[in-house]
Formats: sequence, structure tokens, C-alpha cells
Amino acid sequence: GENVEQHPSTLSVQEGDSAVIKCTYSDSASNYFPWYKQELGKGPQLIIDIRSNVGEKKDQRIAVTLNKTAKHFSLHITETQPEDSAVYFCAASKQGLTGGGNKLTFGTGTQLKVEL
Amino acid sequence: DGGITQSPKYLFRKEGQNVTLSCEQNLNHDAMYWYRQDPGQGLRLIYYSQIVNDFQKGDIAEGYSVSREKKESFPLTVTSAQKNPTAFYLCATHQGSNTGELFFGEGSRLTVL
Repeated sequence: GENVEQHPSTLSVQEGDSAVIKCTYSDSASNYFPWYKQELGKGPQLIIDIRSNVGEKKDQRIAVTLNKTAKHFSLHITETQPEDSAVYFCAASKQGLTGGGNKLTFGTGTQLKVEL
Repeated sequence: DGGITQSPKYLFRKEGQNVTLSCEQNLNHDAMYWYRQDPGQGLRLIYYSQIVNDFQKGDIAEGYSVSREKKESFPLTVTSAQKNPTAFYLCATHQGSNTGELFFGEGSRLTVL
């Protein structure tokens, strides 16, 4: 099955700096890579996603890059703000493929702390 | 309001007792999922259901059971066979179309005393 590794497990940055979180996946058939943000005591929420036919996607201060050859993808947050402090999860799945079932395999999470 | 409701938010149980966690959705989504979250281990899939009256085991199904008698409801029972049941449990739904987004409830925290 799919295995997703995520680094670092904790990340502390100063307000205004950039933050980068990296993930690798094992199954070359995976074609969908979302990122979720989880605030304390709540369920995760999708913040951005990318499909395997695209190398980069950006949404305001958030961007995701994908390297299919190396099987890794990264989340980039620029101009970090205190409200960006949360746990971030990467995930991978095989969408639309037989047996995929839209099941997401998650990374272990990164606790991001943005300090004033 | 449309959304996913999980109850109870906090639950305590004694060893040897079964407990059922509720998940109800009014998003009209076909697929529903149960994930378990432990510190440092991310989210692990317990069971999922893509349609009423059908469900499949996820990666860590042992000691758990589910049912999907209605589209809106996907309850999870944590049985006494689950060796380490203390965790945060998350229910999620998926629209079933080309979009890949999972929508999560706010979770239920189970503590075994």
C-alpha cells in the first residue's frame, strides 16, 4: 500500500518568514495530493491540493509543488501569520483508479508555530 | 447548516465495554470514512463506505465495527477487542465526484479508563 512520510514534525518560524513542509510517497500510481490544516480540537480542513498532471499550484500565500519523478511534494507558506499556527497534514491517493476508492493515506503531520 | 456532526465530543469508558460513536451528515455525500488520530501518527483509516449497505476495512479495522444503513449515518463501534482504544476519532465524507476533498467532522475523543 501507499506510504507517506512527512518532515519536519515540528516547525517554528518568525512571523513574516516562509515555512516549507515536505512529503514523500511510495506508490507511483498515486495521482492526487492534498494538504490539510487542523486547528486545535477540530477536524482537518483542505487548504490546497494538486494533481499529478500539474507541477505547481498557488493560492495566495500558499503553494504546493510536485515532483513525480522523485515522488515528493511540498507545501510552501509565505509571509506567515500567527493564524497559520496549526498542524498540517499531507496526503496521497489514487483517484479514479480501480481499487483506489478515494482513500487518502496521510503523513504524520507537522506542528507549525508562528512566533511574533 | 450543512455539515458533519459527530457525537459525543468526549467519551469515557471502562475497559471491556463497547462504545458507539455517531457520525451524521446532511451533505448528501455518498462516501463516508472513519479515521483514528494518535499523536505523531497522523490519521489512519479504520473503515470506509462508498454506498449504503456496503463498507470496507481500512488499514486498522481490527477491534472496530461499522454499519451503513442510511446514507446520512455511519456509526463506529469500538469493541472490547480493540487493544488500545484511547484516541481521537474523525469521521469524514466525500462527494464521490471528481473532487478529491474530504470533509471532516470535529471529532470524538475517547478515553478508556
